[in-house]
Amino acid sequence: GAVVSQHPSRVICKSGTSVKIECRSLDFQATTMFWYRQFPKQSLMLMATSNEGSKATYEQGVEKDKFLINHASLTLSTLTVTSAHPEDSSFYICSARSGTDGYTFGSGTRLTVV
Amino acid sequence: AQRVTQPEKLLSVFKGAPVELKCNYSYSGSPELFWYVQYSRQRLQLLLRHISRESIKGFTADLNKGETSFHLKKPFAQEEDSAMYYCALHGGSQGNLIFGKGTKLSVKP
Repeated sequence: GAVVSQHPSRVICKSGTSVKIECRSLDFQATTMFWYRQFPKQSLMLMATSNEGSKATYEQGVEKDKFLINHASLTLSTLTVTSAHPEDSSFYICSARSGTDGYTFGSGTRLTVV
Repeated sequence: AQRVTQPEKLLSVFKGAPVELKCNYSYSGSPELFWYVQYSRQRLQLLLRHISRESIKGFTADLNKGETSFHLKKPFAQEEDSAMYYCALHGGSQGNLIFGKGTKLSVKP
């Protein structure tokens, strides 16, 4: 079935630095990739939707300049958390619509900002 | 507004007991509903979707439009069913899924 590979699975960074998270669709083309954020014991909240070759659509309250999304190819979307702060610490998950299989999810990235 | 409600954060049952994980939704159109499962240290994976009307790992879910519910059921729980279960609605403005907060199912031996 469809697989989305997400890296890194876990990252610790210093406050003020930037972190890039990659999601690759391995055996299908993902024209649309969704980026979610999950706080402990909370649901997945959509942050933004990235479309290949165009600008991402951000949900209300999500800072575009802080969470940079690039979807330059049909198999790769990246989320860069810029100037990270401790409150950005969270679990980030990407997801792509994968034909009749529905939605396929990455394994998630645990970001800890110290 | 589109919304998915899972009222139970935690559901604990004994092996062999019936299980029902509740899910209610709010959606103005014709809903497309899913159940996703997340086993420990694994990614979210599709369990079932209402349009398929299938049974996966013994689980079933029936869409009840009158009650706006999509409860997940299994007649005899197994220990390996212990996981987080998320009910989701395909209804976001970007074609995304809208998730409930999830229910942690714990099946005791």
